Amino acid sequence: AQSVTQPDIHITVSEGASLELRCNYSYGATPYLFWYVQSPGQGLQLLLKYFSGDTLVQGIKGFEAEFKRSQSSFNLRKPSVHWSDAAEYFCAVGVRVTSYDKVIFGPGTSLSVIP
Amino acid sequence: KAGVTQTPRYLIKTRGQQVTLSCSPISGHRSVSWYQQTPGQGLQFLFEYFSETQRNKGNFPGRFSGRQFSNSRSEMNVSTLELGDSALYLCASSRGGQMNEQFFGPGTRLTVL
Repeated sequence: AQSVTQPDIHITVSEGASLELRCNYSYGATPYLFWYVQSPGQGLQLLLKYFSGDTLVQGIKGFEAEFKRSQSSFNLRKPSVHWSDAAEYFCAVGVRVTSYDKVIFGPGTSLSVIP
Repeated sequence: KAGVTQTPRYLIKTRGQQVTLSCSPISGHRSVSWYQQTPGQGLQFLFEYFSETQRNKGNFPGRFSGRQFSNSRSEMNVSTLELGDSALYLCASSRGGQMNEQFFGPGTRLTVL
């Protein structure tokens, strides 16, 4: 069955430090991959997505992610974290189920930023 | 342009009651998806509507239902509320479906007492 795991439930980093959030998926075919961010009290916002082509994807707010097929991973990175990046981050995989598409979200990683 | 709006933002109900939540998508978006978010289960997909037709459904009991109107606005209904239905209910709209960028509303916080 298709699934998404985010091994880190919570991460704390200092402002200005680099960040890497891990994501692994289980899906037999080439997946569509997404990273969404949820700030406190708000809905989710798309950071970036991967459908095909270059495995290094650039997103908004200075984030990037790299698709590694051999590791079934799609890790999110940012070279220098800002206090405003504190939020919940969700990795998601899009799969084709018979005649329709479905997006499965991971459990999320909560990011805290120390000033 | 205006984002996805959800009403009401907060609701308190008692067990056994029913509730209707509303979602107004971004203009031009024909797909509306509903999700339930809880601390224990995370984001769980409820259903997706596209052009007034339910296209996709998650693993929720029949107490959870929805519909979409010709203007793409959507409602979801939960009958015979249970304590476990307490959650944040998120609505997301997109042009073609979940594989496209989904734009989420702020959610409706439902508390069942």
